[in-house]
Amino acid sequence: EAQVTQNPRYLITVTGKKLTVTCSQNMNHEYMSWYRQDPGLGLRQIYYSMNVEVTDKGDVPEGYKVSRKEKRNFPLILESPSPNQTSLYFCASSFRRSSYEQYFGPGTRLTVT
Amino acid sequence: KNEVEQSPQNLTAQEGEFITINCSYSVGISALHWLQQHPGGGIVSLFMLSSGKKKHGRLIATINIQEKHSSLHITASHPRDSAVYICAATLRGGADGLTFGKGTHLIIQP
Repeated sequence: EAQVTQNPRYLITVTGKKLTVTCSQNMNHEYMSWYRQDPGLGLRQIYYSMNVEVTDKGDVPEGYKVSRKEKRNFPLILESPSPNQTSLYFCASSFRRSSYEQYFGPGTRLTVT
Repeated sequence: KNEVEQSPQNLTAQEGEFITINCSYSVGISALHWLQQHPGGGIVSLFMLSSGKKKHGRLIATINIQEKHSSLHITASHPRDSAVYICAATLRGGADGLTFGKGTHLIIQP
């Protein structure tokens, strides 16, 4: 089954404790991206990757890191999480660019206390 | 600034009604996406448009490039259509990626 998976689905952590949210797709897509969703602000792009070893900042990259060492995986790293990073996070992938159909992961609800 | 605007923010209708959700954007785009998000959070892509009109079942999406406007229509609405509908655009120039509208919260009452 074609899908984008994210882990964990739910995470409660404390300020400053490094964490990684994994994202994996099995569709051989070149393009992957991370978004956060907040009440009143909607969805906003954090980082995206056009292909292996190619990543770029989206609209809200501060406090986040990403890497794309393999085509299928695009982990989101929070090196020192803060409470303002409490949010619902989505990973997505598409064939080549954001102008192609997007396939979203199930979301990761992160709470930073 | 928000380059992608949606209306209405909230919409409550009766089962069977014809629904229209609007999306306007202020700059040139490569593509316009309509997404659906059910309670519980998952996001599904409904349509990706760069011109004209697409139809899938009871859902129809149209785009007018000259007027920088897109609409999502639902015919014969049903309670299972209750969800948040999100318009997103790939803007021309600048970084690749999606710029999202704030979403339309649709409730269809039986």
